[in-house]
Amino acid sequence: SQQGEEDPQALSIQEGENATMNCSYKTSINNLQWYRQNSGRGLVHLILIRSNEREKHSGRLRVTLDTSKKSSSLLITASRAADTASYFCATDEFDTGTASKLTFGTGTRLQVTL
Amino acid sequence: DAGVIQSPRHEVTEMGQEVTLRCKPISGHNSLFWYRQTMMRGLELLIYFNNNVPIDDSGMPEDRFSAKMPNASFSTLKIQPSEPRDSAVYFCASSLETSGRVANIQYFGAGTRLSVL
Repeated sequence: SQQGEEDPQALSIQEGENATMNCSYKTSINNLQWYRQNSGRGLVHLILIRSNEREKHSGRLRVTLDTSKKSSSLLITASRAADTASYFCATDEFDTGTASKLTFGTGTRLQVTL
Repeated sequence: DAGVIQSPRHEVTEMGQEVTLRCKPISGHNSLFWYRQTMMRGLELLIYFNNNVPIDDSGMPEDRFSAKMPNASFSTLKIQPSEPRDSAVYFCASSLETSGRVANIQYFGAGTRLSVL
């Protein structure tokens, strides 16, 4: 079963607007990552946030993590057409004892129009 | 570095045929993952290796699927016999696993799109 569930499933915005995607997960985690997938391509790592962090920034990306609610959000500011892609959260489960195994969410399809 | 290389990029085969997907991980990485992606089930982890040893194959759907990693620079995923429901995009990813509970960033190949007719 999916560890992470993204919300919304699909999002359409205009260039310049901000895009916010949410991820909920079920078990305790060590870390949470966000990946992007362009159509017909593999996933690309965007940003990682550790379980003891609450917020992290990277360029136009801002990630928050609320471990009490088992949720994370990804904010893309000043979106561009090139940001059109699917975005996935991925978690490694605390109890497995290994950080290698990631469980990916269902993804949010973002469409940025001109 | 060329990144994770998968071949072929596209594979069309008939039901009952054997299919072999190939993956070359990033040089120096010690963990390798095989995923399957479909619209219905999303991205599923099939199996992963660490230092060429299979660690978790609980995601392998059935005995028709097998994976090997004979050395640090090559892995195969084989389906025999293939069925139409195996149609999906198969991704290989690699990472450098360090000691302790430190998250590992995974680097994905471009995938193999498999169509079983």
